[in-house]
Amino acid sequence: GAGVSQTPSNKVTEKGKYVELRCDPISGHTALYWYRQSLGQGPEFLIYFQGTGAADDSGLPNDRFFAVRPEGSVSTLKIQRTERGDSAVYLCASSWDRASGANVLTFGAGSRLTVL
Amino acid sequence: GEDVEQSLFLSVREGDSSVINCTYTDSSSTYLYWYKQEPGAGLQLLTYIFSNMDMKQDQRLTVLLNKKDKHLSLRIADTQTGDSAIYFCAEMGSSASKIIFGSGTRLSIRP
Repeated sequence: GAGVSQTPSNKVTEKGKYVELRCDPISGHTALYWYRQSLGQGPEFLIYFQGTGAADDSGLPNDRFFAVRPEGSVSTLKIQRTERGDSAVYLCASSWDRASGANVLTFGAGSRLTVL
Repeated sequence: GEDVEQSLFLSVREGDSSVINCTYTDSSSTYLYWYKQEPGAGLQLLTYIFSNMDMKQDQRLTVLLNKKDKHLSLRIADTQTGDSAIYFCAEMGSSASKIIFGSGTRLSIRP
């Protein structure tokens, strides 16, 4: 696609529920990143994929968070047993090749998650 | 671990130059970036600089890098109302597995 697409743009859920957030990267981009941005803060790194594999998941806050990218394109961020502290904007970004050059990230508009 | 620090706010008069500063801790940073975020919009890359350079100019934007002091700055010449946004400094280390962002500097323009 022309840009990075994220769905849903807004999600309101209740504490304890399960949530999935989807990211459709730019076609041909091999690298995909998930970040979380809380109000007044910068993007906080969560996980990075190169192709289908999670190359670095050191930013996932705990085992309630999981992400997959089964075919090396679309990625889903999954959050189990949501807590109020999970409320944030979840940003996805992609780049065409992490290994060479400046690794310029193109960001989606984000999915705003509100846990009541 | 890696850390990127920025001041939270900057206010400048329209037509003046804006200088946004950033410090980082990772001495193995390879690339440093400036991203812009306008209200309700996603992050947009403004410019980046490779760590073996000390200056990069792109139209109204000038990036200065002092690698010894781990200090990065972004100068916007002739600041306009459309430059109102939050500006994020970011760095990529030698492992290149993640890009770390600062908390952002909110630039406001006064007439």
